[in-house]
Amino acid sequence: DTEVTQTPKHLVMGMTNKKSLKCEQHMGHRAMYWYKQKAKKPPELMFVYSYEKLSINESVPSRFSPECPNSSLLNLHLHALQPEDSALYLCASSQVGGDMNTEAFFGQGTRLTVV
Amino acid sequence: AQSVAQPEDQVNVAEGNPLTVKCTYSVSGNPYLFWYVQYPNRGLQFLLKYITGDNLVKGSYGFEAEFNKSQTSFHLKKPSALVSDSALYFCAVRDVNSGNTPLVFGKGTRLSVIA
Repeated sequence: DTEVTQTPKHLVMGMTNKKSLKCEQHMGHRAMYWYKQKAKKPPELMFVYSYEKLSINESVPSRFSPECPNSSLLNLHLHALQPEDSALYLCASSQVGGDMNTEAFFGQGTRLTVV
Repeated sequence: AQSVAQPEDQVNVAEGNPLTVKCTYSVSGNPYLFWYVQYPNRGLQFLLKYITGDNLVKGSYGFEAEFNKSQTSFHLKKPSALVSDSALYFCAVRDVNSGNTPLVFGKGTRLSVIA
């Protein structure tokens, strides 16, 4: 199984809503990532979890709150978002530790629209 | 610091013709190099990677890439383009000496293959 599964595929939320994005992988990867991607732009790194601990936070606003409940799951909790937060949110995973040459595997993304 | 440059925003090629998508990189040590493809509203799909060894790397869907250390380049190539190759292509790099850092992506090149 080389899949990273993200749910939901599409999400429309109001600026006062609270919602969560979910990501799951069963490849035994111990590094998991959240990226934000605007149209026709490269993915921008938001957060990195390594062995279920937050290792990188790229100065993301607190209205985005990541959570890694176990080695297979990664969540992104959303609250009080702004319209400019509308984007494709991508989850990825990779091996960590000695095997530095590993590629990252990406999910298909959640298309988020904030209204 | 590590960085990737994709000098072309858009590449147009006729179906059946060879294609090249350019990538140059900058790292302080030795690079691990990757190519990903993204179809509309989808996540990134891994195509190929250079770690060590042969400078010519073969990957998925008939794509290959040539690592050139003196020119710090890793151009993506395919001998005969298909209309279905039309997509957004990202080059990415990780510095071997940088620890377990995430991939750094180029800005992307949109490939359009015309029938």
